[in-house]
Amino acid sequence: SQQGEEDPQALSIQEGENATMNCSYKTSINNLQWYRQNSGRGLVHLILIRSNEREKHSGRLRVTLDTSKKSSSLLITASRAADTASYFCATDAIGGGADGLTFGKGTHLIIQP
Amino acid sequence: DAGITQSPRHKVTETGTPVTLRCHQTENHRYMYWYRQDPGHGLRLIHYSYGVKDTDKGEVSDGYSVSRSKTEDFLLTLESATSSQTSVYFCAISEGGRGGELFFGEGSRLTVL
Repeated sequence: SQQGEEDPQALSIQEGENATMNCSYKTSINNLQWYRQNSGRGLVHLILIRSNEREKHSGRLRVTLDTSKKSSSLLITASRAADTASYFCATDAIGGGADGLTFGKGTHLIIQP
Repeated sequence: DAGITQSPRHKVTETGTPVTLRCHQTENHRYMYWYRQDPGHGLRLIHYSYGVKDTDKGEVSDGYSVSRSKTEDFLLTLESATSSQTSVYFCAISEGGRGGELFFGEGSRLTVL
């Protein structure tokens, strides 16, 4: 079953603009993670935010977490063509099975040059 | 990049034939996972391992079996492949176990005719 749902499913912006993707989830979590997947490649971990954190930064990435709304957002600032990829949120649900993370279906981001 | 190798990377087979996918890691991580990725479903966990000879089922384990006889190798077997098992299969590893950061292989694309 899908714990996280990304929104929008697809996003196309001009190079240099900021890109914002959202993730909503259903049950309480220990942490939430964002991954990037380039076409035909495996997923790459971007950032992890714990349930007691509200915001986290990594380079041009900014992640926020609102546990009261069960939602997170990923902001990519000053986008580049190389940011074109699919982005997935993954949640570690409290009381979840020993297997851990549950992934959403992803947001496909296209950066137009 | 984490040392994860999946083989084969591409395979075409016929319905009813057995198929084994291999995941090999050089990181000595304890936890290993097999996911499948399908359009509209995102990533779904098939099986995972938390040590040598210690494995458990994930969300979509029917029709699949796994084995882990060495820390570095995690095998996924389709005893009798069906067309519904056409997918891209990803192996992932984790040092810290559930809820931790995952490192993914490049994927194995399986087509069952």
